[in-house]
Amino acid sequence: DTGVSQNPRHKITKRGQNVTFRCDPISEHNRLYWYRQTLGQGPEFLTYFQNEAQLEKSRLLSDRFSAERPKGSFSTLEIQRTEQGDSAMYLCASSLDRDTDTQYFGPGTRLTVL
Amino acid sequence: AQTVTQSQPEMSVQEAETVTLSCTYDTSENNYYLFWYKQPPSRQMILVIRQEAYKQQNATENRFSVNFQKAAKSFSLKISDSQLGDTAMYFCAHGGSNYKLTFGKGTLLTVNP
Repeated sequence: DTGVSQNPRHKITKRGQNVTFRCDPISEHNRLYWYRQTLGQGPEFLTYFQNEAQLEKSRLLSDRFSAERPKGSFSTLEIQRTEQGDSAMYLCASSLDRDTDTQYFGPGTRLTVL
Repeated sequence: AQTVTQSQPEMSVQEAETVTLSCTYDTSENNYYLFWYKQPPSRQMILVIRQEAYKQQNATENRFSVNFQKAAKSFSLKISDSQLGDTAMYFCAHGGSNYKLTFGKGTLLTVNP
């Protein structure tokens, strides 16, 4: 069990650029979640997948955000036309489809939009 | 919608002593789970302990235990024999039928030598 991994760990970009983050869940975990955490706050839910299907999206996920999970394995989160307000830590988590559904988190990708 | 409230932004405790972190929540669901996560300065979120709402017995995990009061919608975390490595942000979270977690704003715990 290598845990949830995320790449890159840090990303600095200029306003208006597109960025893409990757998350590799724990193997055999069929659920994958994306959260956003700003300084001094708890993580906020963005979206989640069961296998390759995206089942729920938060209102926080504007049209500039898109997430995919092809083949139900890794997931990507893309932000188009980044804004300074997008600066945050983006956390990925995964879980097994069992009744306890405990989510295990990756180290996160810190995005800074200049 | 679920809400989670942590009313203590910061707390400190002396090494080897006991500290209790508070959490209250609001939910319309009957079946749900509650979690405490720890986020050390390196920022990797780590599960500390979880509680199934249908279980009356309070969960324990080594030095960590919870006081779950379902009627009062209270879920506090007790850390016994505090260690320097316990210094971190602690988040209380609610998980329901829609699987997403709702987090509180966190409590920054500092363990002093």
